[in-house]
Amino acid sequence: DGGITQSPKYLFRKEGQNVTLSCEQNLNHDAMYWYRQDPGQGLRLIYYSQIVNDFQKGDIAEGYSVSREKKESFPLTVTSAQKNPTAFYLCASSTDYQEKLFFGSGTQLSVL
Amino acid sequence: DQQVKQNSPSLSVQEGRISILNCDYTNSMFDYFLWYKKYPAEGPTFLISISSIKDKNEDGRFTVFLNKSAKHLSLHIVPSQPGDSAVYFCAASPPPGDYKLSFGAGTTVTVRA
Repeated sequence: DGGITQSPKYLFRKEGQNVTLSCEQNLNHDAMYWYRQDPGQGLRLIYYSQIVNDFQKGDIAEGYSVSREKKESFPLTVTSAQKNPTAFYLCASSTDYQEKLFFGSGTQLSVL
Repeated sequence: DQQVKQNSPSLSVQEGRISILNCDYTNSMFDYFLWYKKYPAEGPTFLISISSIKDKNEDGRFTVFLNKSAKHLSLHIVPSQPGDSAVYFCAASPPPGDYKLSFGAGTTVTVRA
């Protein structure tokens, strides 16, 4: 079955700790995205990547970092510089511009 | 600055009746619009889309209407079913060259039996 797999489903971060959220897709999609969802707000774009070894900042990139070493993988690191990391994080992919996004099932990150 | 707005955070409708969800946008460069449906603790799934060259697109019980002059679109669900209870996000896409979708805050639909 083709799709996007995010792990873990729940993640807890301690003060000053970096944590990495995993996102893997087997849809052969070129573009991948990370969004953050907060209660009462829309999905806000953190980073996106159109091709391997290239990525661009979204609207709220501060305190986050990404890599795109493989087409299938687009991990997101939430660094200690992100002061309000508690949120639901969604990874998505698409074949091309304007193509509908396919989302993973999300990771809920909370601060201990 | 939110470019896509869904001003109704929630909507309650009786089973069998019509659900109408509204979405307004400010950026006249948007030329493609999508609706996503999301259940709790899951990722959104694509529902229906419309290009700016059309004013209506229909897919089964779901119809999206676009009024470009008013920068407004709406999603109609007829008839509403209990499984339609979810959060619905409106999204807008700019012209080619920009991969960034802009999402609204979502509308939570509850279908009452």
